[in-house]
This record gives sequence, C-alpha cells and structure tokens, in this order.
Amino acid sequence: GNSVTQMEGPVTLSEEAFLTINCTYTATGYPSLFWYVQYPGEGLQLLLKATKADDKGSNKGFEATYRKETTSFHLEKGSVQVSDSAVYFCALSHPTGGGNKLTFGTGTQLKVEL
Amino acid sequence: DTGVSQNPRHKITKRGQNVTFRCDPISEHNRLYWYRQTLGQGPEFLTYFQNEAQLEKSRLLSDRFSAERPKGSFSTLEIQRTEQGDSAMYLCASSSGQGGNSPLHFGNGTRLTVT
Repeated sequence: GNSVTQMEGPVTLSEEAFLTINCTYTATGYPSLFWYVQYPGEGLQLLLKATKADDKGSNKGFEATYRKETTSFHLEKGSVQVSDSAVYFCALSHPTGGGNKLTFGTGTQLKVEL
Repeated sequence: DTGVSQNPRHKITKRGQNVTFRCDPISEHNRLYWYRQTLGQGPEFLTYFQNEAQLEKSRLLSDRFSAERPKGSFSTLEIQRTEQGDSAMYLCASSSGQGGNSPLHFGNGTRLTVT
C-alpha cells in the first residue's frame, strides 16, 4: 500500500541554520506530494506541494523537489527562524473516487533556538 | 475565507458515552474529509464526502463511528459507546472539486479524551 516515512524528531537548530527534513514514500502510480506544517495550537496548513516528477514546490523560503528515482520529497530551508518551530508532515495523495485522500508521515518536530 | 471550523475544541467524556462533533467546511468546498490523529502520529484518514454522498470509509471507522453530511454543507461525526482507545484529535478538512490534487484545508480539530 501507500506509505510515507519521515525522519524522526525533534530536530533542534540554531537560528539561521540550514534545514533538511527527509521524506521518502511508497506508492502505486504517480501520487502528488505535500508538506504540511502544524504550528503550536493550530491546525495543519499546506506549506508546499509538487504534482509530478522533478517539480519543485516552494513557499516561505522552504523548498522540496519531487524525486521519482529516489521516491523522495525532502524539505529544505536555507536559514531557519525561531518562528519556523512547528511540526512538519510529509504526505502523498492518491485520488479516490475523484477525491484527494492523503497519507501522512508521522511528523517531524522542529525547534529553532536563538 | 473563514476557514474550516470545528466544534467543540475539546471534549471529555466517560467511557461508554456517545459524543458528536461538528465540522463546517469552507463554504464553496464540495469535498469534506475526517481524519484522526493520535499523539506522535500523523493524521489517519477516516472518511470522505463529496457533497452529501459518503464515498469512502476507512477500515479504521468501526461500526461505532458514523458520519453524515445531510445537506452537503456541515458534517457531523458521532462515536457511540466511546472507548479509551478513541481518545485522539479528530480533524476535519475540506477541498474544492478542482482536480484530484486540490489542497486540503484543515480545521483546528476536536480533541477527545475518554476517561
């Protein structure tokens, strides 16, 4: 079946450090890939997405490239801020009945310190 | 855009009681999803509606769980005879019907604690 594997957290970084959160997936067909972020006390928010191989999603300084050959969608940011502290979820979609059901990874908590 | 609204935010109940949660999606969205999230895990799909039709249910959704979307707008999720294992965050999401990859917009969730 479809699954998503993320690196375990928490990941603790100093402000302005480089961030990578690894995500790999197993899926039939050609899923779309997403990163969602959950700030403390808030709901999940879409951070970025990529719908086909070699697409790069980007938003708020975060980037991720859909790599079909390595079945990966790693999240990167060149310089993190304290405000980026949150839980990050990698997810894939497999359309069902015209819908967009998501399979999530377990999440990676990021803590950014001054 | 008022976002997806879920009520209540928190619910504490005793084992064996019934509970009902409500979700109001973004008004123009015709698709509505329920997910469950336990501590340290990602959200798990429970069920999905397109308009008022319930098109898919996960095997996670036992017969104690029922979801409705009677007029294709708000939805309710009811859990009968709650068990301690039902304690979790219940998330609702909605999306538009523009293609199979339209992003899901999530509410803040209802946290259920069964004592």
